[in-house]
Amino acid sequence: DSGVTQTPKHLITATGQRVTLRCSPRSGDLSVYWYQQSLDQGLQFLIQYYNGEERAKGNILERFSAQQFPDLHSELNLSSLELGDSALYFCASSKHEETQYFGPGTRLLVL
Amino acid sequence: EDQVTQSPEALRLQEGESSSLNCSYTVSGLRGLFWYRQDPGKGPEFLFTLYSAGEEKEKERLKATLTKKESFLHITAPKPEDSATYLCAVQLMYSGGGADGLTFGKGTHLIIQP
Repeated sequence: DSGVTQTPKHLITATGQRVTLRCSPRSGDLSVYWYQQSLDQGLQFLIQYYNGEERAKGNILERFSAQQFPDLHSELNLSSLELGDSALYFCASSKHEETQYFGPGTRLLVL
Repeated sequence: EDQVTQSPEALRLQEGESSSLNCSYTVSGLRGLFWYRQDPGKGPEFLFTLYSAGEEKEKERLKATLTKKESFLHITAPKPEDSATYLCAVQLMYSGGGADGLTFGKGTHLIIQP
């Protein structure tokens, strides 16, 4: 158990819908990262927040957004969902910007 | 373009048969190289961080090494419970001086047969 928690574990929704994924980092960690894992693309970095501020952006679509709240938990919002957005979404956390510890993931299925 | 390539894609070994997994990288501004283990449907589990060429880290049957262009994950006398996908990732420095998210390779799917 890494200490990073993610909810929900599974999510089934329809195309065009919007969903919110939630992540609680390990105690004391200030950085939160979001990743997407699909069979064809592998694990891809989406976005990083550090102590409430956006720090780095990866291959995040404009339909996706994230935020980190004062209690350091983070939410990833996915809108106008497409079939291709079906994937595992992982959150990771670190104290600053060193070793990242991953959560168990949210499996998203868009029908 | 920054790239991380892992080989082989898949490896099947007998229990006790030692081998090495390779991770080659072409990046500018490497901050660190990371190895993770991932079981099906689970989140990646941290194994090692390497920061400079010549560095080595060990944990039980695993040993990671780093050169300027590649890293190896050596597995000695593996057991069936070592079966998993092993992921290599690099972390880059960005122009502001901070560190970027991880860039992952596609992984090596390792199967250890009893």
